[in-house]
Amino acid sequence: DVKVTQSSRYLVKRTGEKVFLECVQDMDHENMFWYRQDPGLGLRLIYFSYDVKMKEKGDIPEGYSVSREKKERFSLILESASTNQTSMYLCASSPPGTAGANVLTFGAGSRLTVL
Amino acid sequence: KNEVEQSPQNLTAQEGEFITINCSYSVGISALHWLQQHPGGGIVSLFMLSSGKKKHGRLIATINIQEKHSSLHITASHPRDSAVYICAVSLLSSGSARQLTFGSGTQLTVLP
Repeated sequence: DVKVTQSSRYLVKRTGEKVFLECVQDMDHENMFWYRQDPGLGLRLIYFSYDVKMKEKGDIPEGYSVSREKKERFSLILESASTNQTSMYLCASSPPGTAGANVLTFGAGSRLTVL
Repeated sequence: KNEVEQSPQNLTAQEGEFITINCSYSVGISALHWLQQHPGGGIVSLFMLSSGKKKHGRLIATINIQEKHSSLHITASHPRDSAVYICAVSLLSSGSARQLTFGSGTQLTVLP
């Protein structure tokens, strides 16, 4: 089975901590995405990457950074976690090309609580 | 106003009922996706369509480009269909062709 694997299903962190969320895919996909999902707001794009070391800001990049050193791995970094970053974080990947032409494969999600 | 609107927000049905979930969008799109999210978080892609109709098992998705509207139908619903169903579109006006814009989802509960 092809997979997108997120390293942690549940995390609890304290305000001000640095948080790493890791995502690995085994489909040799060029595109990788980080979303956050909040009740009533749907999925919102934080960052995406279309190639190694390449990244683009999504709709809500403030407070986040990303790293893509290898094709299969896309990391989301919260430099100094805050309580308003408590959310469900979802990683996804897709083959190269436009969103209209490709199906996304999602990870299981990482539920982050910042106290 | 959201560019993608889903209705209803919540839907409860009895097992065996025919279910319809609607998605409307306000601008031109290149494709529309239907996704399913079970409790616990994982999201699965059900359909991607840009015209007409697609069918997979008991699920049918239709799209009317002129009316900017799509429907997801579930025939002979079953409790295991209980999930959040999400509509997402690739907007022609999007700043990046790689991005999707998501609806806020429809929570479906099918009672035995």
